[in-house]
Amino acid sequence: QKEVEQNSGPLSVPEGAIASLNCTYSDRVSQSFFWYRQYSGKSPELIMSIYSNGDKEDGRFTAQLNKASQYVSLLIRDSQPSDSATYLCAVEGNFNKFYFGSGTKLNVKP
Amino acid sequence: ETGVTQSPTHLIKTRGQQVTLRCSSQSGHNTVSWYQQALGQGPQFIFQYYREEENGRGNFPPRFSGLQFPNYSSELNVNALELDDSALYLCASSLGSLGREQYFGPGTRLTVT
Repeated sequence: QKEVEQNSGPLSVPEGAIASLNCTYSDRVSQSFFWYRQYSGKSPELIMSIYSNGDKEDGRFTAQLNKASQYVSLLIRDSQPSDSATYLCAVEGNFNKFYFGSGTKLNVKP
Repeated sequence: ETGVTQSPTHLIKTRGQQVTLRCSSQSGHNTVSWYQQALGQGPQFIFQYYREEENGRGNFPPRFSGLQFPNYSSELNVNALELDDSALYLCASSLGSLGREQYFGPGTRLTVT
């Protein structure tokens, strides 16, 4: 079982819609969770961090964390073609180890 | 731009050789982490350095080693290169021993032939 699981996609949404990206993790002691965006040929860019159960909003982005279900999600409101990228979920485990999922590819159609 | 720099940008090596990759962390950051990203995969954690000490390590063999210098810059050394070592190597810097919010450099593309 992988430490972090994501649907590889692609997830296609029309411009202006809400994109919902999901991630599950296996290590119950994980306390820190992150979403990164990676454009093709570029390095990952930090979008959001979340440490407590519930929702955290930053502009068009909302991260949601449910530790009991070991589930993290990212909502992108008013999706734009420029949001088309691969979204990586990352989890900090024990002993300062970080685990990334394989990413979900998002396509926003004009 | 994150302020994290890496060199070189691209590198081609032959199987069995050794390679050194370099990273300068963002101003004010004292923690550096290294990742390997194969095509189509997420980054795989190699190790993390905090104040010149290895602070965490992923499932990579000992031929992957590192250093952090007093100015918090870092090196990744890989000995006895194998074909499967071909990947994008990413450096990320952060603040504090827990190394939480990490900011990535542009990466070094290593090709082993």
